[in-house]
Amino acid sequence: AQKITQTQPGMFVQEKEAVTLDCTYDTSDPSYGLFWYKQPSSGEMIFLIYQGSYDQQNATEGRYSLNFQKARKSANLVISASQLGDSAMYFCAMREIGSQGNLIFGKGTKLSVKP
Amino acid sequence: KAGVTQTPRYLIKTRGQQVTLSCSPISGHRSVSWYQQTPGQGLQFLFEYFSETQRNKGNFPGRFSGRQFSNSRSEMNVSTLELGDSALYLCASSQKKRGGLETQYFGPGTRLLVL
Repeated sequence: AQKITQTQPGMFVQEKEAVTLDCTYDTSDPSYGLFWYKQPSSGEMIFLIYQGSYDQQNATEGRYSLNFQKARKSANLVISASQLGDSAMYFCAMREIGSQGNLIFGKGTKLSVKP
Repeated sequence: KAGVTQTPRYLIKTRGQQVTLSCSPISGHRSVSWYQQTPGQGLQFLFEYFSETQRNKGNFPGRFSGRQFSNSRSEMNVSTLELGDSALYLCASSQKKRGGLETQYFGPGTRLLVL
């Protein structure tokens, strides 16, 4: 069963606007972490933001924030004030407390920022 | 702090050959994980090493192996290469904290092409 679902294969956003990238997940483990990574065309995976399953507040890191809705099992990434350099693939990932080193990734969303 | 480094960055091999990829983690990180990324299968977990011991392994054939040295550097080896092994191989390192949900930081990857 797919554990991470990203339903938007591609998205466009105008420069300086905000954009939301969707991510839903499935787990029976009460303790887990959710991660978002950015992958430019160069290939390197860049860590953006983390949300723990027991965290009471939504995570924020600069222009990135995570809209965490635990009951709905969703962890959407919000990018505010989009920049041209934000054009990249974005991956949502989950790690369950019982797994050693195993990040489970979604298929990704390709974000294109238009000038 | 220097990031995760991977060598070589690009590699071309022919079917039947074997290949060794190297990964140097962020200083102080003792956990190293390896992932394979292909257009068809996406990002898949290969294995994770901590303190020179393999702690977890993904669903890959025995042709894929790895090891970790006392300085936390890691190598992965693929023997008897097949065309389907063409992929971006990503290494990630992490520092043990947060009860096992630590963030993994990725290197730039090694692009392997099997002809």
